Parts: sequence; C-alpha cells; structure tokens
Amino acid sequence: AQSVTQLDSQVPVFEEAPVELRCNYSSSVSVYLFWYVQYPNQGLQLLLKYLSGSTLVESINGFEAEFNKSQTSFHLRKPSVHISDTAEYFCAVKDDGSNFGNEKLTFGTGTRLTIIP
Amino acid sequence: EAGVAQSPRYKIIEKRQSVAFWCNPISGHATLYWYQQILGQGPKLLIQFQNNGVVDDSQLPKDRFSAERLKGVDSTLKIQPAKLEDSAVYLCASSLVFGYNEQFFGPGTRLTVL
Repeated sequence: AQSVTQLDSQVPVFEEAPVELRCNYSSSVSVYLFWYVQYPNQGLQLLLKYLSGSTLVESINGFEAEFNKSQTSFHLRKPSVHISDTAEYFCAVKDDGSNFGNEKLTFGTGTRLTIIP
Repeated sequence: EAGVAQSPRYKIIEKRQSVAFWCNPISGHATLYWYQQILGQGPKLLIQFQNNGVVDDSQLPKDRFSAERLKGVDSTLKIQPAKLEDSAVYLCASSLVFGYNEQFFGPGTRLTVL
C-alpha cells in the first residue's frame, strides 16, 4: 500500500518570498510522483510530475520539485510567490506501471498556500 | 479541447435520500475515475473504468454507492441512501489510455447531506 504525507496543512507566505511545500511518500514499489493544484471552486490541475530521468522537474509557472529517493520526498518549491499562487496543493503517488493495471493515484491531505500581500 | 464536465455543481439533500452525479470525460479518453474528497482530506479513488468495464472498485461502498459507464463515454455515480458522512466533493477525472499518466479532473460536485 502507498501513502503520502503532507505535514503542513496551511502555509502563509508573504508575496515575493520563497516557499517550500513538503511531501513525503511511502511505497513498496517504484513510483511516479505528482503535484496537483486546486484553485478556489475549480478542479485539480496537474502542476508537475516526476516519471523518470532528471530528479528535478519544473512547471511553466516557476514551481519546481525534486525527487529524493533516499528520503522518499518530493518537495515543491518556488523562489518568489505571487498572489495568484494562492491555492491548495496536493502531492500524489502512483505505481510506475510495472504493476500493470494499478492506475490509482494516492493523494496527500493537501497544503493550503496563502499569499500575504 | 473541452475539459471534463460534471453536473450538478452543488447538491443538498436530506439523509436517506438518493442522489446522482453525471460526468462527461474529455472526448476520446478511455479511462474514467470517480474520486471522493472529504473536507480537509485528499481525493480518494472510488472507482475506475476502462471504457465501459470496471478496473478497480475496491474502495466503493457498494451497499450504497453504484456507478456505471454503459456506452464507455459518460458516467453516472449514484448514492442510495445517502448518509451524513457522504458530504464531500465528488470529482470525476479521465485519462487518454490505460497507463497514460496524466489524469484530467472536472470541477467536482459538492454534496451536502443534512
């Protein structure tokens, strides 16, 4: 069974300050890792994903996350946040496909990022 | 490209009543998922379809929840009878093919059971 832990339920950050949202996972098999963002009254949108290759992945709006296998972490970072980044962020994990048929995404409990002007 | 459509967006019912949610996935997407997101928690998979067949319904409370995708396109999730603890956002997602890694989510249906 897989699990995802997001230790911070809420993170307030001043505008233009850096932020890190933490994500740790547990799995007995190799995994793919995802960050989804949920803006108010909207569905989840994929922010970035790690499938293989470079352990540092980036999104188009300045977020990045680094896969650390030894620490089983996939923390999300942004060097300078904007008001528009206010949203809830979910980390998710999934089998890497070697266990054919298991497409289930397991989500963390989410981190609400609030940007303070 | 149109996204995943869900209706209704909001529903309020009394406990023991029945309710149904509808989802239309992105055109051509073979895989469809229903998730339950309780306030303060991450989404939890209820059921996964591949075309019109069920792939995983291990976390679906089958005594009260049912889902179908008869023609392999749109899908309906039903709760009968509803309990207070069913209050949640029900999210539908779809992906292009089996094994494709990105799931696209609809806006969700917020259910309140009184």
